[in-house]
Amino acid sequence: EAGVAQSPRYKIIEKRQSVAFWCNPISGHATLYWYQQILGQGPKLLIQFQNNGVVDDSQLPKDRFSAERLKGVDSTLKIQPAKLEDSAVYLCASSLERSGGANEQFFGPGTRLTVL
Amino acid sequence: GENVEQHPSTLSVQEGDSAVIKCTYSDSASNYFPWYKQELGKRPQLIIDIRSNVGEKKDQRIAVTLNKTAKHFSLHITETQPEDSAVYFCAASIRREAAGNKLTFGGGTRVLVKP
Repeated sequence: EAGVAQSPRYKIIEKRQSVAFWCNPISGHATLYWYQQILGQGPKLLIQFQNNGVVDDSQLPKDRFSAERLKGVDSTLKIQPAKLEDSAVYLCASSLERSGGANEQFFGPGTRLTVL
Repeated sequence: GENVEQHPSTLSVQEGDSAVIKCTYSDSASNYFPWYKQELGKRPQLIIDIRSNVGEKKDQRIAVTLNKTAKHFSLHITETQPEDSAVYFCAASIRREAAGNKLTFGGGTRVLVKP
């Protein structure tokens, strides 16, 4: 099966600019996650969607970050305006929530954002 | 919220030796503990996971143990090979049926297997 797709793979912007990332989860996966991974650290969950509804966005900096998952499939994550500390890899993951199943999270290749 | 501590941050072993990585978590309600391997520049990939109703799980050369009372879990890699070199992350979550896992990751352990 095809994996989680993300684009772009790399993005360089200047601070105060805007940027958007796109994620296409594995077909049929109801749950979609966006993580921020700063160099040398573990991924940190930003937002979790179940179909097109938000399950958890407690760690999303809502003054500058926004995310949507229209139609419960693809998702976009936006940063506006970007700050230097937003430099990180943004990982998208998806899982098939099946009762009694393993519910493994499959990660995409990530988008490496550099804010200058 | 949940907090996961992981040690050591770096680990160098000779090929063929064993490697052990330890994690502690803070939320006693956590019931799902996956381990991910991330090679340089690549995506994290699940290598093994354990649920709170099990004390130990093994898959070929890797094993995970869980001590719920002490709130710690460990990854054991035996007969290490150069391809085991990577960054390993532990995570903890409260697994909710049909509602996903909110994973909290540890800081990672960079493992280097020397030939």
